Amino acid sequence: DQQVKQNSPSLSVQEGRISILNCDYTNSMFDYFLWYKKYPAEGPTFLISISSIKDKNEDGRFTVFLNKSAKHLSLHIVPSQPGDSAVYFCAARGWYGQNFVFGPGTRLSVLP
Amino acid sequence: SAVISQKPSRDICQRGTSLTIQCQVDSQVTMMFWYRQQPGQSLTLIATANQGSEATYESGFVIDKFPISRPNLTFSTLTVSNMSPEDSSIYLCSVALRVGTGGDWRGQYFGPGTRLTVT
Repeated sequence: DQQVKQNSPSLSVQEGRISILNCDYTNSMFDYFLWYKKYPAEGPTFLISISSIKDKNEDGRFTVFLNKSAKHLSLHIVPSQPGDSAVYFCAARGWYGQNFVFGPGTRLSVLP
Repeated sequence: SAVISQKPSRDICQRGTSLTIQCQVDSQVTMMFWYRQQPGQSLTLIATANQGSEATYESGFVIDKFPISRPNLTFSTLTVSNMSPEDSSIYLCSVALRVGTGGDWRGQYFGPGTRLTVT
């Protein structure tokens, strides 16, 4: 059973527009969430995190929103740039564990 | 953040052989993990590498197949033993660091990965 889901395997966005990547989770014990970006032939790079005590966290062009009642989080990238083209992973963990459960990833393509 | 390096970056191995992957971190870290990313799949945790004691394996992974060493706080190895084509994957080393003023260690960073192909 997949505890962290990213239902869109790919997303294409025009440069300068907003990219919205979505993530859903099933485990109500998850209380901390991360977004990672991964380029080909490189390891994942940490982007932004959010704790369950918040519903929004912002860092530059990246904003993560958390809706605990819906068990849903989203990553907004504004404005999108061609260098943002990568695979984005959502990850979650609960207070009981030391490590994260990852979603399958969404491939974002930002078109010039 | 931490700088994490892995050796080798890629390898092509024959069925039945073993490969040891090395992970080096530029600072001492408490938490170190090994992940696998099979083609078209997400990241799957293999085990937590514990310094000075046996690694903690996730369901579906066993020490005989994936022996792990962690001799100190900056280095770990993962061996993929008696390989089969199903072991073809990217293997990633990861560390957890403290982030934020509150000392929350939940930040997690990854090495570049080792791409293994088993023929």
